[in-house]
Amino acid sequence: EIVMTQSPATLSVSPGERATLSCRARLSVSSNLAWYQQKPGQAPRLLIYGASTRATGIPARFSGSGSGTEFTLTISSLQSEDFAVYYCQHYNNWPWTFGQGTKVEIK
Amino acid sequence: EVQLVESGGGLVQPGGSLRLSCAASGFTFSSYSMNWVRQAPGKGLEWVSYISSSSSAIYYADSVKGRFTISRDNAKNSLYLQMNSLRDEDTAVYYCARGLQYPDYWGQGTLVTVSS
Repeated sequence: EIVMTQSPATLSVSPGERATLSCRARLSVSSNLAWYQQKPGQAPRLLIYGASTRATGIPARFSGSGSGTEFTLTISSLQSEDFAVYYCQHYNNWPWTFGQGTKVEIK
Repeated sequence: EVQLVESGGGLVQPGGSLRLSCAASGFTFSSYSMNWVRQAPGKGLEWVSYISSSSSAIYYADSVKGRFTISRDNAKNSLYLQMNSLRDEDTAVYYCARGLQYPDYWGQGTLVTVSS
């Protein structure tokens, strides 16, 4: 299986600032990568698929980039509702695997 | 509006069995692949199983292979997960999630607790 590694584990950011989250795959997953946001007590929500395509209804402040083994999720100007845990997931082959998550907290 | 509602979770002893259900609405269920994804308390997400729209393709994570069985009933718009020989490490919230490649809609989950 392909191991996905996210960094940092925790990111402390002030509202209005930019947040940059990283996800690395042990092997190439091409552009078959998705990002999810999860708030406490809630199900994950799809943000990005195909490494860079925003899902329906996702604000433009969320953007994804990368291909192969290195990926980035950028939140251009953090809003209060963006403080959450973010997961990357590859779907290049079976089994799907997720990163361990990055918690974005208020600085 | 797409809705996925899981049920069937609860407390079960190690070695026991449980059957989870997921009721789907708001989309043509028979046209979509479905998955089960779980999350242990305070931990990350783990994909468990996949079933194609016609049930012709089924995959499992190694951690559940031989113990769990995924199935669906397109006439009832329902997804199932039969879980046998449950272990402590199967304790988690189990989500049903729609999608062939990436889950685009998720249910709210049902908690399975394996404990004596």
